[in-house]
Amino acid sequence: EDKVVQSPLSLVVHEGDTVTLNCSYEVTNFRSLLWYKQEKKAPTFLFMLTSSGIEKKSGRLSSILDKKELFSILNITATQTGDSAIYLCAVEKPTSGTYKYIFGTGTRLKVLA
Amino acid sequence: DAGITQSPRHKVTETGTPVTLRCHQTENHRYMYWYRQDPGHGLRLIHYSYGVKDTDKGEVSDGYSVSRSKTEDFLLTLESATSSQTSVYFCAIRGPPADTQYFGPGTRLTVL
Repeated sequence: EDKVVQSPLSLVVHEGDTVTLNCSYEVTNFRSLLWYKQEKKAPTFLFMLTSSGIEKKSGRLSSILDKKELFSILNITATQTGDSAIYLCAVEKPTSGTYKYIFGTGTRLKVLA
Repeated sequence: DAGITQSPRHKVTETGTPVTLRCHQTENHRYMYWYRQDPGHGLRLIHYSYGVKDTDKGEVSDGYSVSRSKTEDFLLTLESATSSQTSVYFCAIRGPPADTQYFGPGTRLTVL
């Protein structure tokens, strides 16, 4: 059975700290791994990773994929209170003429001022 | 912004009543999805569509049906709402710019 596991489940840090969020997966027919940020509304897309070892970066956020060990990490440096959110990891797989997405349960990050 | 709207945004209903949620997109996306999100479960796929009149079940489809009679609209119906269907419902599409999944704003449904 396909599964995506995120850790930790929750995390509390202070502004300025660096955090690393983890996502491991066991999914057949992997196409890509996705990271989303969810505040009190819909998830918003952060990164899509398809190749091992190539870092994607956007400001203070970065992410990398290891397809051999089947995991990805999301790093946030110099955290700010605005980074407080749930971070979701998902794996995309093509199947039966469409694409399906298997989501982890998320990591809840709280950044204290 | 993937041009997705959902209606209604909030709804309170009573057990046993039928409820229809609407997802509307303006950019001709082929693939559309309905999820529910509950604490401790994350996002779970209810139904999905890969074209007009082409739909299939996801992992939590019991008690739900869908219809897609035109590209832009994907309707989710709770045939007889139960309290266990109290949740936040998200519609999503697969499309550009990254050819991946983008979400609508969500509908908060409460079944009393």
